Amino acid sequence: QSALTQPASVSGSPGQSITISCTGTSSDVGGYNFVSWYQQHPGKAPKLMIYDVTKRPSGVSNRFSGSKSGNTASLTISGLQAEDEADYYCCSYAGSSTYVVFGGGTKLTVL
Amino acid sequence: EVQLVDSGGGLVQPGGSLRLSCAASGFTFSSYAMSWVRQAPGKGLEWVSSISNSGGSTYYADSVKGRFTISRDNSKNTLYLQMNSLRAEDTALYYCAKVPPTGYSDVWYFDLWGRGTLVTVSS
Repeated sequence: QSALTQPASVSGSPGQSITISCTGTSSDVGGYNFVSWYQQHPGKAPKLMIYDVTKRPSGVSNRFSGSKSGNTASLTISGLQAEDEADYYCCSYAGSSTYVVFGGGTKLTVL
Repeated sequence: EVQLVDSGGGLVQPGGSLRLSCAASGFTFSSYAMSWVRQAPGKGLEWVSSISNSGGSTYYADSVKGRFTISRDNSKNTLYLQMNSLRAEDTALYYCAKVPPTGYSDVWYFDLWGRGTLVTVSS
């Protein structure tokens, strides 16, 4: 069982917006502003999409945005495109003993 | 080209050992912390271990503490993971990953990943 809880799957049509939630505790997501999100296409390595809750690395589309409220972080993808179909993982700092926890992953299907 | 090339995976019996390597190129390896992240077949991501840019500080997940050792050779631009006392549950694709500067010694993001090397622990 993963430390962070994500929905197993979400779906949306091209052009729509979707949001993936990531629920943790006050010891990880809620306690620090160190949440990141990764995109993973089948058979490929993960790619960093969001860090520090809301920041996008250079080269990542501004259709991807992150937010946090309490113990739940969220990834929103606007203007869905076929190429966005992938698995998405949230990740959080969890203090100076556990350090890093990941969510179980969410499969995004673009209908 | 900026890249990481993982290698060293294979089939090993329970209780056995294996050493993974990760060759870095295209960036100043000695300036960045590095990490290992694994993914069991059909499962999610799990952080395994991280090391500071100098190699002076190392960090481990509880699941591997005391069995795995992370190290680096900055003269060879190479990261290592020595895995001992391997168990069936260590079976996974192991990725090395570069950590961008975060301003904190134990906060890591992973902004460059290798393709992974598969470790299978089975008799």
